[in-house]
Amino acid sequence: GENVEQHPSTLSVQEGDSAVIKCTYSDSASNYFPWYKQELGKGPQLIIDIRSNVGEKKDQRIAVTLNKTAKHFSLHITETQPEDSAVYFCAASRTNAGKSTFGDGTTLTVKP
Amino acid sequence: DSGVTQTPKHLITATGQRVTLRCSPRSGDLSVYWYQQSLDQGLQFLIHYYNGEERAKGNILERFSAQQFPDLHSELNLSSLELGDSALYFCASSVAPKGTAGYTFGSGTRLTVV
Repeated sequence: GENVEQHPSTLSVQEGDSAVIKCTYSDSASNYFPWYKQELGKGPQLIIDIRSNVGEKKDQRIAVTLNKTAKHFSLHITETQPEDSAVYFCAASRTNAGKSTFGDGTTLTVKP
Repeated sequence: DSGVTQTPKHLITATGQRVTLRCSPRSGDLSVYWYQQSLDQGLQFLIHYYNGEERAKGNILERFSAQQFPDLHSELNLSSLELGDSALYFCASSVAPKGTAGYTFGSGTRLTVV
């Protein structure tokens, strides 16, 4: 089955700096890659996603890039703010599978 | 409020007992997924239902079972509970029958087995 590895497990940045979280996946048939943000005491929330026919997608301060050949995708957060502090999960799935496989999460801390 | 409702929010029970977790998906979503999140672990897939039918199973223990009812709400039944079953259990819903759309998660049920 699909295996998703996520790095780093923890990340601390200064407010205003950029943060990058990387994920690799094993199933070359995976074609949908969402990212979720989980704040303390809440369920994960979808923040951005990308499909395999696209190399990059941006939404204000966040962007996701996908390298299908290398089977890895990354989340980029620019101009980080304290409210960006949370656990971030990447995931991968494919059209004929009924579920997403999640990475182990990255705890991002943005220091004011 | 994500639109996905999970009850109860917290549950404390003894080993050997049985509990039922309930999930109401977001309006219009036909898919319901159950995930387990243990301390220091990621989200482990348990089971997926689409419009009342089981579509996929993960590493779900035989002591665990689930169903999705005609009104699309879902229940996860956990029996013969062990200390290691203590975890956050999340329900997520999606409009798609397969893994091609993002999930909307509920706020979870925190299960503590003592």
